[in-house]
Order: sequence, then structure tokens, then C-alpha cells
Amino acid sequence: GENVEQHPSTLSVQEGDSAVIKCTYSDSASNYFPWYKQELGKRPQLIIDIRSNVGEKKDQRIAVTLNKTAKHFSLHITETQPEDSAVYFCAAGTGYALNFGKGTSLLVTP
Amino acid sequence: ETGVTQSPTHLIKTRGQQVTLRCSSQSGHNTVSWYQQALGQGPQFIFQYYREEENGRGNFPPRFSGLQFPNYSSELNVNALELDDSALYLCAVQAESSYNSPLHFGNGTRLTVT
Repeated sequence: GENVEQHPSTLSVQEGDSAVIKCTYSDSASNYFPWYKQELGKRPQLIIDIRSNVGEKKDQRIAVTLNKTAKHFSLHITETQPEDSAVYFCAAGTGYALNFGKGTSLLVTP
Repeated sequence: ETGVTQSPTHLIKTRGQQVTLRCSSQSGHNTVSWYQQALGQGPQFIFQYYREEENGRGNFPPRFSGLQFPNYSSELNVNALELDDSALYLCAVQAESSYNSPLHFGNGTRLTVT
């Protein structure tokens, strides 16, 4: 089955700096790669997603890149703000069944 | 917001008991998935229902079962509860009926097994 590895497990940045979270996946059949943000005690919320026919996607301060050959994808957050502090999960899969990474706890300090 | 509602929000059960968790959405999503999120981990896919039929299952034993009703509400049933079943259980729906459309989660049910 699909195995998703996510790094780093924790990340601390200064406000205004960039943050990068990286994930690798094992199943070449995976064609959908969403990223979720989860604040403490709340549900995971979709922040951006990318499909396998696209190499890069951007939405304001958030961007995701996908390298299908190397089977890795990354989340980039620019100009970080304290409210970006949360746990971020990458996921890979097909259709409805997603396999999630173990999460990255991002702390943005003022 | 997809308006996904899960109940109850919290639940405490004893090992060996059975539990039923519920999920509903404001508009009729014909696909619902259930995920288990243990503390400090990412969500794990349990199963997915499409038009009242199980349409995919993760690596969970048969004591995890589900139902989807004609009004697209759904239940997750867990029999013979074990301590390791303690987790946040998330229901997810898709805003569109197409394959690979984004999954949107409810707020979850926090289950504690003692």
C-alpha cells in the first residue's frame, strides 16, 4: 500500500520567514496530493491540493510543488504569520482513500 | 464550509463495549469516508461509502463497520472496543461527485476507551 513520509516533524520559524515541508510517497498510482492544516482540537482543513498532471500550484502565500518522477511533493509558505502556527499534514492517494503523513508542527514566533 | 456534522463530540466507553458514531451533511453528498486519527498521528482511512455501499476499505478489522442511509447520513460502528481504538474519528465528504475532488472533514468525535 501507499506509504507517505513527511519531514520535518517540527519546524520553528520567525514571523516573515518562509517554511517548507516535504513529503515522499511510494505508490506511483497516487494522483492526488492535498495538504491539510489542523489547529489544536479542530478538524483538518484543506489549504491546497495538486493533481498529478500539474507540477506546481500557488494560492497567495501558499504553494505546492510535485515531482512525480522522484515521488515527492512540498508545501511552501511565504511571509509566515503567527496564525500559520498549526500541524500540517500532507496526503497522497487516489479517489477517496488518502494516506496521510504523520504531520509537521509549525510554530511561527513573532 | 460543507456543513458536516458529527455526533457526539466526545464519548467515553469501556473496553469490550460497542459504539456508534454519526455523520450528516447539510447538502446531499453521496460519498462519505471515515478516518481514525490517533493522538499525534495523521488520519488513517477506515472505509468509504458511495450510494449506501462500502466502496473501499483501509487496513481495519471487520469489527469496524458502517452504514450510509438514503439521506446520505452515515454511521461508523465499532464492536468489541479495544484501548487502542481511542482516537478522533473523522467523517469526510466530497463537495463534488467527481473522483479526486477535495475531502472536507467534520469536527470529529473524540472516543476514549478505558
